[in-house]
Amino acid sequence: NAGVTQTPKFQVLKTGQSMTLQCAQDMNHNSMYWYRQDPGMGLRLIYYSASEGTTDKGEVPNGYNVSRLNKREFSLRLESAAPSQTSVYFCASSDLWGRVGEKLFFGSGTQLSVL
Amino acid sequence: GEDVEQSLFLSVREGDSSVINCTYTDSSSTYLYWYKQEPGAGLQLLTYIFSNMDMKQDQRLTVLLNKKDKHLSLRIADTQTGDSAIYFCAEWGGTASKLTFGTGTRLQVTL
Repeated sequence: NAGVTQTPKFQVLKTGQSMTLQCAQDMNHNSMYWYRQDPGMGLRLIYYSASEGTTDKGEVPNGYNVSRLNKREFSLRLESAAPSQTSVYFCASSDLWGRVGEKLFFGSGTQLSVL
Repeated sequence: GEDVEQSLFLSVREGDSSVINCTYTDSSSTYLYWYKQEPGAGLQLLTYIFSNMDMKQDQRLTVLLNKKDKHLSLRIADTQTGDSAIYFCAEWGGTASKLTFGTGTRLQVTL
């Protein structure tokens, strides 16, 4: 059982380039999330999708777009990468969005460097 | 808004107990979680506690909750080198209906 799969694992971009981070889950979860992890700042929510067909902004959405392609897949796009977007990105899924007791399942992360 | 704070680093010797602390601000928090992140990996849920409980034990892990002081701790008994990781506290706040993560505590286990 793969759980949450993210690709790529590592990426180096130049300022201004674009790229899409892919995420897929095989647990039949309704909700999916994108977080970024920066030293000393914990995890910050970028965007989330409570269910197929919906997406909403989290704490730090500027510079990103998302697409919930189907129930399994949720992608994150950087249209014009900036050095401030150098971070580790995690995708997560759950089946209890916004409900008491929600537990998230995480992918292994994408380490992105923007030069 | 909601805030969850943790110390950044803890070093313990193998075989000793580790205690990782967390404070939160949302008094309406209903669930509090501990996630573990091993090097190069995503976060994995370790354990969680409901806000009407004071303590939860699960093998080597003991979670203590002081709701009055909004303080959560994770005790790992007989700490092993395999416990070396970053530990994140998270709270599910009723006012926000979302998870808020702390900054993470890096646990280093020395021989």
